[in-house]
Amino acid sequence: QSALTQPASVSGSPGQSITISCTGTSSDVGGYNFVSWYQQHPGKAPKLMIYDVSSRPSGVSNRFSGSKSGNTASLTISGLQAEDEADYYCTSYTRRSTWVFGGGTKLTVL
Amino acid sequence: EVQLVESGGGLVQPGGSLRLSCAASGFTFSNYWTSWVRQAPGKGLEWVANISPDGGNKHYVDSMKGRFTISRDNAKNSLNLQMNSLRAEDTAVYYCALNSDWRFGSWGQGTLVTVSS
Repeated sequence: QSALTQPASVSGSPGQSITISCTGTSSDVGGYNFVSWYQQHPGKAPKLMIYDVSSRPSGVSNRFSGSKSGNTASLTISGLQAEDEADYYCTSYTRRSTWVFGGGTKLTVL
Repeated sequence: EVQLVESGGGLVQPGGSLRLSCAASGFTFSNYWTSWVRQAPGKGLEWVANISPDGGNKHYVDSMKGRFTISRDNAKNSLNLQMNSLRAEDTAVYYCALNSDWRFGSWGQGTLVTVSS
């Protein structure tokens, strides 16, 4: 099972918006709406930010949004803030009843 | 409040075995799928395995099938991962995660496994 493809890094200035892509195949991202996104600060456990492609858990800022088109899912963060600087991972359920993560994207807030 | 607390990590020699545990509290453990996810030093997250609420269904990533065994004890609210034939590349922080409703909603703090001679 190959990892989902994410850009290694993205950056943006405070107040700007950024988008992180997550590309898979029809056997995972494209075949199911079970894509979720996680934020991880250094030395900390991951935190769920988006689930079911575009749903936000309670307590997560509405600056975070998700979408999907074909085999590619995306996470958009608007109004960038310093505390958004972290690593972000996507994951998807697969047709083999397993889960696959993306390689991760390091977000730098300039 | 959901709490997941991993234990059992440590230093083990190549070819050795280790058993990780995850103590769950704050929710009805026996109702939920749970997973192990690992993260090698400086690397990304890698899903390892999950197990159904009653323990009857288990799924593994191909690279760990046959070496790792996931299990649970619902009476003790505990999730386990038996790891055999360990290799240097198994060195990682191992997280226990609540794998409910098609997402990983809660995570433990992780336990570090180091495979080295």
